[in-house]
Amino acid sequence: KAGVTQTPRYLIKTRGQQVTLSCSPISGHRSVSWYQQTPGQGLQFLFEYFSETQRNKGNFPGRFSGRQFSNSRSEMNVSTLELGDSALYLCASSLDSPHYEQYFGPGTRLTVT
Amino acid sequence: TQLLEQSPQFLSIQEGENLTVYCNSSSVFSSLQWYRQEPGEGPVLLVTVVTGGEVKKLKRLTFQFGDARKDSSLHITAAQPGDTGLYLCAGARDDYKLSFGAGTTVTVRA
Repeated sequence: KAGVTQTPRYLIKTRGQQVTLSCSPISGHRSVSWYQQTPGQGLQFLFEYFSETQRNKGNFPGRFSGRQFSNSRSEMNVSTLELGDSALYLCASSLDSPHYEQYFGPGTRLTVT
Repeated sequence: TQLLEQSPQFLSIQEGENLTVYCNSSSVFSSLQWYRQEPGEGPVLLVTVVTGGEVKKLKRLTFQFGDARKDSSLHITAAQPGDTGLYLCAGARDDYKLSFGAGTTVTVRA
């Protein structure tokens, strides 16, 4: 089975712009979660989508949004970028199991200048 | 404040030595997972422990879940340079959320 894929792998944006990141989960996985990873804050949960519905949300401002399509692919959007949004954005897919094991993609490295 | 506290934050050892990483919380989890992340990659799931007191072995890695399901440890025997990476613990609760620890950066010198 192919793993989780994320595009693009690297992105440089200017403060105030918006950005869209894409994630394709493992075939058969209907849950997709997004995380932000920074050296100072570690791995922070953004949100989770299951069957096209947002099932869980972390403590991030409304500038961070996402959606999931009927084929389980997901996108994450960040509007009005700030310098502090520079981070590695990780997507993870999961079977709908009680242990909720995450299978991560390689991430998108976003740099905001 | 992290729900899961990992210690130590950094660990640097010589090849062949043993090491232990701890993951502690005041919350009870239905299961606990360990991941390893290498530079430029996403975390990779190593193991899931579910039952209090459970011990799982993966070659030179031994994982233990505390009796009360609030803490866990990862022990590596005879560490090798290939064990270098960021080790993350994550606790699962009934609300389909995973809480991650801040991670332990392990460096094994040849």
